[in-house]
Amino acid sequence: QVQLLESGPGLVKPSETLSLTCTVSDVSIYTYYWSWIRQPPGKGLEWIGYIDYRGSTNYNPSLKSRVTISIDTSKNQFSLKLNSVTAADTAVYYCAREIVVADGVYFDYWGQGTLVPVSS
Amino acid sequence: QSVLTQPPSVSGAPGQGVTISCTGSSSNIGAGYDVHWYQHLPGTAPKLLIYGNNNRPSGVPDRFSGSKSGTSASLAITGLQAEDEGDYYCQSYDSSLSGSVFGGGTKLTVL
Repeated sequence: QVQLLESGPGLVKPSETLSLTCTVSDVSIYTYYWSWIRQPPGKGLEWIGYIDYRGSTNYNPSLKSRVTISIDTSKNQFSLKLNSVTAADTAVYYCAREIVVADGVYFDYWGQGTLVPVSS
Repeated sequence: QSVLTQPPSVSGAPGQGVTISCTGSSSNIGAGYDVHWYQHLPGTAPKLLIYGNNNRPSGVPDRFSGSKSGTSASLAITGLQAEDEGDYYCQSYDSSLSGSVFGGGTKLTVL
């Protein structure tokens, strides 16, 4: 059973950088794509971006200028950095495995999510 | 505002059925991209419920089914059970975004 676990600081101050790590268990990170998705309080899900084992990335255009996703294959982990955060970035952040098929993509395994408030 | 449109809430009595709609546009569902559905129960990770419009992952009961037509898709749940109560999201790929888009979510209440 594939498991994903998000970790990182529980609170970030405005204008600072949000940093999260997703540790993947029971499957090699060398296959598939790995994504970050977030859900602001009371709102829907928003795809942030993905990375593959080679380090190729694709980001949501609305966040692209502030987002960096990286991968550490030696630790079976991938990470998210979101800089210059504001209160609008307060959300539950999920990591997920992304499956690419002929007619799109979907997410078959998700982490439990971690709430990251942005507040001074 | 989400790219895919879902009703905010639906409800039904135990044993009954409900349908949740998901409406997109010509750059996502209407472009032929698959629709996928997720169940998000309180305190748990989102769970893939339907993939590729109408396929159930192993372990998902056949009470859940999906369909797609034109720029819309639907999730049907029959034989409602109390444990079905939670939020349901549709998701597809959008060519103008070059990435995934989600619906705003539908809260299912089992009366």
